[in-house]
Amino acid sequence: EDKVVQSPLSLVVHEGDTVTLNCSYEVTNFRSLLWYKQEKKAPTFLFMLTSSGIEKKSGRLSSILDKKELFSILNITATQTGDSAVYLCAVGKAAGNKLTFGGGTRVLVKP
Amino acid sequence: GAGVSQSPSNKVTEKGKDVELRCDPISGHTALYWYRQSLGQGLEFLIYFQGNSAPDKSGLPSDRFSAERTGGSVSTLTIQRTQQEDSAVYLCASSPRWGGSSEQYFGPGTRLTVT
Repeated sequence: EDKVVQSPLSLVVHEGDTVTLNCSYEVTNFRSLLWYKQEKKAPTFLFMLTSSGIEKKSGRLSSILDKKELFSILNITATQTGDSAVYLCAVGKAAGNKLTFGGGTRVLVKP
Repeated sequence: GAGVSQSPSNKVTEKGKDVELRCDPISGHTALYWYRQSLGQGLEFLIYFQGNSAPDKSGLPSDRFSAERTGGSVSTLTIQRTQQEDSAVYLCASSPRWGGSSEQYFGPGTRLTVT
Protein backbone atom coordinates (compact mmCIF):
# COMPACT_ATOMS: atom_id res chain seq x y z
CA GLU A 1 0.00 0.00 0.00
CA ASP A 2 1.31 3.46 -0.92
CA LYS A 3 2.39 5.52 2.05
CA VAL A 4 3.49 9.13 2.54
CA VAL A 5 4.54 10.20 6.03
CA GLN A 6 5.28 13.75 7.12
CA SER A 7 7.05 14.93 10.22
CA PRO A 8 6.78 16.68 12.51
CA LEU A 9 3.01 16.75 12.90
CA SER A 10 3.19 20.38 13.96
CA LEU A 11 5.65 22.98 15.11
CA VAL A 12 5.69 26.46 16.53
CA VAL A 13 8.49 28.88 15.72
CA HIS A 14 9.17 32.60 15.97
CA GLU A 15 9.61 34.97 13.10
CA GLY A 16 13.07 34.74 11.64
CA ASP A 17 13.57 31.09 12.53
CA THR A 18 14.32 28.40 9.97
CA VAL A 19 12.08 25.34 9.70
CA THR A 20 12.73 22.00 8.06
CA LEU A 21 9.81 19.76 7.15
CA ASN A 22 10.25 16.10 6.31
CA CYS A 23 8.42 13.79 3.94
CA SER A 24 9.17 10.10 3.47
CA TYR A 25 7.38 7.84 1.06
CA GLU A 26 6.85 4.25 -0.05
CA VAL A 27 5.08 4.34 -3.39
CA THR A 28 5.11 2.03 -6.39
CA ASN A 29 5.78 3.60 -9.79
CA PHE A 30 7.03 6.88 -8.31
CA ARG A 31 7.07 9.76 -10.73
CA SER A 32 7.15 13.01 -8.78
CA LEU A 33 6.96 14.55 -5.32
CA LEU A 34 5.02 17.75 -4.78
CA TRP A 35 4.80 20.24 -1.93
CA TYR A 36 1.69 22.32 -1.27
CA LYS A 37 0.80 25.05 1.23
CA GLN A 38 -2.74 24.97 2.61
CA GLU A 39 -3.96 27.99 4.54
CA LYS A 40 -7.73 27.88 4.30
CA LYS A 41 -9.17 25.60 1.66
CA ALA A 42 -7.25 25.24 -1.60
CA PRO A 43 -3.74 23.79 -1.41
CA THR A 44 -1.36 26.12 -3.23
CA PHE A 45 1.32 24.51 -5.36
CA LEU A 46 4.89 25.15 -4.20
CA PHE A 47 7.29 22.70 -5.84
CA MET A 48 7.44 19.58 -7.93
CA LEU A 49 10.53 17.41 -7.74
CA THR A 50 11.35 14.56 -10.04
CA SER A 51 15.13 14.31 -9.97
CA SER A 52 17.21 13.32 -7.02
CA GLY A 53 19.65 15.78 -5.50
CA ILE A 54 18.51 18.87 -7.37
CA GLU A 55 17.33 21.67 -5.11
CA LYS A 56 14.34 23.73 -6.12
CA LYS A 57 14.21 27.22 -4.69
CA SER A 58 11.63 29.97 -4.56
CA GLY A 59 12.45 32.93 -2.38
CA ARG A 60 12.80 31.74 1.19
CA LEU A 61 11.52 28.26 0.38
CA SER A 62 13.60 25.41 -0.96
CA SER A 63 13.17 21.68 -1.36
CA ILE A 64 15.25 18.69 -2.30
CA LEU A 65 14.47 15.07 -3.11
CA ASP A 66 16.47 11.94 -2.29
CA LYS A 67 15.11 9.09 -4.42
CA LYS A 68 17.54 6.58 -2.97
CA GLU A 69 16.46 7.16 0.62
CA LEU A 70 12.87 7.95 -0.41
CA PHE A 71 12.43 11.30 1.27
CA SER A 72 12.21 15.01 0.67
CA ILE A 73 12.68 18.07 2.84
CA LEU A 74 11.14 21.51 2.60
CA ASN A 75 13.08 24.38 4.16
CA ILE A 76 11.69 27.77 5.03
CA THR A 77 14.25 30.38 6.08
CA ALA A 78 13.63 33.70 7.84
CA THR A 79 10.05 32.64 8.59
CA GLN A 80 7.24 35.20 8.65
CA THR A 81 3.78 35.01 10.19
CA GLY A 82 2.38 34.58 6.67
CA ASP A 83 4.17 31.25 6.45
CA SER A 84 1.75 29.84 9.03
CA ALA A 85 -0.12 27.05 7.25
CA VAL A 86 -0.35 23.31 6.80
CA TYR A 87 2.33 22.06 4.44
CA LEU A 88 1.36 19.01 2.42
CA CYS A 89 3.63 16.56 0.69
CA ALA A 90 2.22 14.40 -2.11
CA VAL A 91 3.63 11.75 -4.38
CA GLY A 92 2.52 11.30 -7.98
CA LYS A 93 2.57 7.92 -9.67
CA ALA A 94 3.53 7.19 -13.25
CA ALA A 95 0.06 6.11 -14.33
CA GLY A 96 -2.38 8.99 -14.23
CA ASN A 97 -0.40 10.93 -11.67
CA LYS A 98 -3.03 10.63 -8.95
CA LEU A 99 -1.51 12.07 -5.82
CA THR A 100 -1.08 10.28 -2.53
CA PHE A 101 -0.89 12.85 0.26
CA GLY A 102 0.82 12.80 3.60
CA GLY A 103 -1.01 14.00 6.68
CA GLY A 104 0.62 17.41 6.58
CA THR A 105 2.75 19.47 8.97
CA ARG A 106 1.05 22.39 10.69
CA VAL A 107 3.45 25.33 11.06
CA LEU A 108 2.66 28.27 13.31
CA VAL A 109 4.97 31.27 13.12
CA LYS A 110 4.63 33.63 16.06
CA PRO A 111 5.59 37.30 15.84
CA GLY B 1 -5.84 33.67 -15.87
CA ALA B 2 -8.71 32.06 -14.02
CA GLY B 3 -7.94 29.21 -11.70
CA VAL B 4 -9.97 26.12 -10.88
CA SER B 5 -13.43 27.05 -9.66
CA GLN B 6 -15.91 24.94 -7.71
CA SER B 7 -19.51 25.38 -6.76
CA PRO B 8 -21.20 25.60 -4.41
CA SER B 9 -18.62 26.71 -1.88
CA ASN B 10 -20.75 25.34 0.94
CA LYS B 11 -23.57 22.82 0.91
CA VAL B 12 -25.67 21.65 3.82
CA THR B 13 -27.97 18.75 3.08
CA GLU B 14 -30.11 16.30 4.96
CA LYS B 15 -29.10 12.69 5.28
CA GLY B 16 -30.51 10.65 2.41
CA LYS B 17 -30.63 13.48 -0.14
CA ASP B 18 -28.55 13.57 -3.33
CA VAL B 19 -25.99 16.32 -3.97
CA GLU B 20 -24.10 17.50 -7.03
CA LEU B 21 -20.75 19.25 -6.81
CA ARG B 22 -19.32 21.10 -9.78
CA CYS B 23 -15.76 21.75 -10.90
CA ASP B 24 -14.56 24.07 -13.67
CA PRO B 25 -10.92 23.29 -14.43
CA ILE B 26 -8.34 25.69 -15.79
CA SER B 27 -8.98 26.19 -19.47
CA GLY B 28 -6.99 23.78 -21.60
CA HIS B 29 -6.14 21.39 -18.77
CA THR B 30 -6.71 17.84 -19.93
CA ALA B 31 -6.60 16.04 -16.60
CA LEU B 32 -9.05 16.59 -13.75
CA TYR B 33 -8.95 15.09 -10.26
CA TRP B 34 -11.35 14.87 -7.32
CA TYR B 35 -10.10 14.56 -3.73
CA ARG B 36 -11.81 14.58 -0.35
CA GLN B 37 -10.51 16.05 2.89
CA SER B 38 -12.33 15.02 6.03
CA LEU B 39 -11.89 16.91 9.28
CA GLY B 40 -8.40 16.31 10.61
CA GLN B 41 -7.56 13.94 7.76
CA GLY B 42 -5.27 14.18 4.79
CA LEU B 43 -6.44 14.50 1.22
CA GLU B 44 -7.91 11.30 -0.16
CA PHE B 45 -7.97 10.60 -3.91
CA LEU B 46 -11.42 9.83 -5.35
CA ILE B 47 -11.28 9.76 -9.15
CA TYR B 48 -9.51 11.33 -12.10
CA PHE B 49 -10.39 12.09 -15.71
CA GLN B 50 -8.27 12.11 -18.81
CA GLY B 51 -10.46 14.05 -21.20
CA ASN B 52 -13.94 12.70 -20.61
CA SER B 53 -12.95 9.21 -19.56
CA ALA B 54 -12.18 8.05 -16.03
CA PRO B 55 -9.46 5.37 -16.16
CA ASP B 56 -9.22 5.15 -12.39
CA LYS B 57 -12.29 5.14 -10.16
CA SER B 58 -10.57 3.17 -7.43
CA GLY B 59 -10.85 5.92 -4.85
CA LEU B 60 -14.63 6.25 -4.89
CA PRO B 61 -15.70 5.11 -1.40
CA SER B 62 -18.97 3.48 -2.44
CA ASP B 63 -21.37 3.08 -5.34
CA ARG B 64 -23.27 6.10 -4.03
CA PHE B 65 -20.48 8.21 -5.51
CA SER B 66 -20.22 8.90 -9.23
CA ALA B 67 -18.62 11.52 -11.42
CA GLU B 68 -18.72 12.59 -15.00
CA ARG B 69 -16.95 15.04 -17.22
CA THR B 70 -18.36 16.43 -20.43
CA GLY B 71 -16.69 18.27 -23.28
CA GLY B 72 -13.32 17.72 -21.66
CA SER B 73 -14.07 20.55 -19.28
CA VAL B 74 -16.64 20.77 -16.47
CA SER B 75 -16.99 17.84 -14.09
CA THR B 76 -19.70 16.97 -11.60
CA LEU B 77 -19.36 14.71 -8.60
CA THR B 78 -22.66 13.24 -7.47
CA ILE B 79 -23.29 11.68 -4.08
CA GLN B 80 -26.57 9.81 -3.77
CA ARG B 81 -28.37 9.12 -0.51
CA THR B 82 -25.85 11.14 1.47
CA GLN B 83 -24.65 9.89 4.84
CA GLN B 84 -23.11 11.84 7.70
CA GLU B 85 -19.71 10.30 7.01
CA ASP B 86 -19.79 12.01 3.60
CA SER B 87 -19.28 15.36 5.35
CA ALA B 88 -15.95 16.71 4.14
CA VAL B 89 -14.35 19.30 1.88
CA TYR B 90 -14.38 18.06 -1.71
CA LEU B 91 -11.47 19.44 -3.71
CA CYS B 92 -11.04 19.43 -7.45
CA ALA B 93 -7.70 19.84 -9.21
CA SER B 94 -6.67 20.13 -12.82
CA SER B 95 -3.42 19.49 -14.58
CA PRO B 96 -2.14 20.57 -18.00
CA ARG B 97 -1.00 17.07 -18.90
CA TRP B 98 -2.14 13.57 -18.12
CA GLY B 99 0.28 11.17 -16.55
CA GLY B 100 3.95 11.79 -16.18
CA SER B 101 5.14 14.64 -14.08
CA SER B 102 2.63 17.41 -13.98
CA GLU B 103 1.63 19.70 -11.18
CA GLN B 104 -2.00 19.81 -10.09
CA TYR B 105 -3.77 23.07 -9.31
CA PHE B 106 -6.56 22.97 -6.76
CA GLY B 107 -9.85 24.77 -6.55
CA PRO B 108 -11.21 26.29 -3.32
CA GLY B 109 -13.30 23.23 -2.56
CA THR B 110 -16.90 22.57 -1.60
CA ARG B 111 -17.58 22.06 2.08
CA LEU B 112 -20.34 19.47 2.37
CA THR B 113 -22.18 19.05 5.64
CA VAL B 114 -24.70 16.23 5.97
CA THR B 115 -27.07 16.69 8.89
